[in-house]
Amino acid sequence: EDQVTQSPEALRLQEGESSSLNCSYTVSGLRGLFWYRQDPGKGPEFLFTLYSAGEEKEKERLKATLTKKESFLHITAPKPEDSATYLCAVVWGGRRALTFGSGTRLQVQP
Amino acid sequence: NAGVTQTPKFQVLKTGQSMTLQCAQDMNHNSMYWYRQDPGMGLRLIYYSASEGTTDKGEVPNGYNVSRLNKREFSLRLESAAPSQTSVYFCASSDRIAGAYTGELFFGEGSRLTVL
Repeated sequence: EDQVTQSPEALRLQEGESSSLNCSYTVSGLRGLFWYRQDPGKGPEFLFTLYSAGEEKEKERLKATLTKKESFLHITAPKPEDSATYLCAVVWGGRRALTFGSGTRLQVQP
Repeated sequence: NAGVTQTPKFQVLKTGQSMTLQCAQDMNHNSMYWYRQDPGMGLRLIYYSASEGTTDKGEVPNGYNVSRLNKREFSLRLESAAPSQTSVYFCASSDRIAGAYTGELFFGEGSRLTVL
């Protein structure tokens, strides 16, 4: 069973067109949810950590929120340089490493 | 400031051949990880090392072995490569294991392996 599911798989936006990416999780005892950005041919780069429902984090045009079942990555007025794959990951229970979703591939057109 | 360095960046193997992927970090991190990334499947954990001298299996360890050579280096070995091991392999490190943890892993740029 999928423990971390991201949607949509791909998203194409016009520059300035705000939208949200979704990460839903089905794990018990969530200890943290994390967002990463991955550019083509590169390794993922850390963006945010969220620990509890109701928590929010912001960085430039990105804002991450967390509920008891899902997280959203809101992108406000995106620019072409925001084009990347955005990965969600969780750590839960007694696990000692992150479990990643399959990502959302975002393309922002000028 | 190199961060996490992986070698080689590209490799083509024939079925049954063996090889070792090398990873080194210069951030004095305790924990190191090997992930593989396949289209539509995200990053899957192969093995990790919470600290020097320890290694543990992840989600997909079959067909792989690892060695934590010292605090800096963590290698991944394919003893008898199979086409199913065609993938992009990422090494990562962090300053603490996920138990008390910010979730901030530092990744290398990946090693692209093709097994024919």
